[in-house]
Amino acid sequence: KAGVTQTPRYLIKTRGQQVTLSCSPISGHRSVSWYQQTPGQGLQFLFEYFSETQRNKGNFPGRFSGRQFSNSRSEMNVSTLELGDSALYLCASSLSTGSPSNEQFFGPGTRLTVL
Amino acid sequence: DQQVKQNSPSLSVQEGRISILNCDYTNSMFDYFLWYKKYPAEGPTFLISISSIKDKNEDGRFTVFLNKSAKHLSLHIVPSQPGDSAVYFCAASFGNEKLTFGTGTRLTIIP
Repeated sequence: KAGVTQTPRYLIKTRGQQVTLSCSPISGHRSVSWYQQTPGQGLQFLFEYFSETQRNKGNFPGRFSGRQFSNSRSEMNVSTLELGDSALYLCASSLSTGSPSNEQFFGPGTRLTVL
Repeated sequence: DQQVKQNSPSLSVQEGRISILNCDYTNSMFDYFLWYKKYPAEGPTFLISISSIKDKNEDGRFTVFLNKSAKHLSLHIVPSQPGDSAVYFCAASFGNEKLTFGTGTRLTIIP
């Protein structure tokens, strides 16, 4: 069974640009969550999608957005990039939602560098 | 406001000894706790979890202890092996809310 895949793995952008990251969950998984990992901050929750609907949202500005498609694949978009957006962006999928015991399986992440 | 804290950014332990990783939380509503392990260039993988109705959960070499009155949990790894060298994150949640992660502890096992 293929794991969670994220593309691209590495990305370099400049301030003011926008970026789109992609996540393909494990087959059959309907929930996708996005996290930002920065040194000293751990994993910060961005948002969760389930059946194409945003179910939960973290404390990030509106420049961060996402969506989920009917095949459960998800994208996240960051507009007007800032230097502080440089981070590892992780996607996690799970079978369902609504319970923390639904094990989340993480992808390898996309390393975004903003210059 | 960091609701889940891992105050030790790094820890070194001799192979074969016990590794103890600590995690403190401030939100008394958290009722489910998890530990994840992360290798470089890979996403975190689930290790072990514990519900607030328990104070201990064991899985092979890994044991998680929960002290609700102190709002503290710990992960014990016995015996420690070189493959355990990784970054460990604790996480907490309540109800069906999102997971809140700590900042991580880098564990290095010395052969």
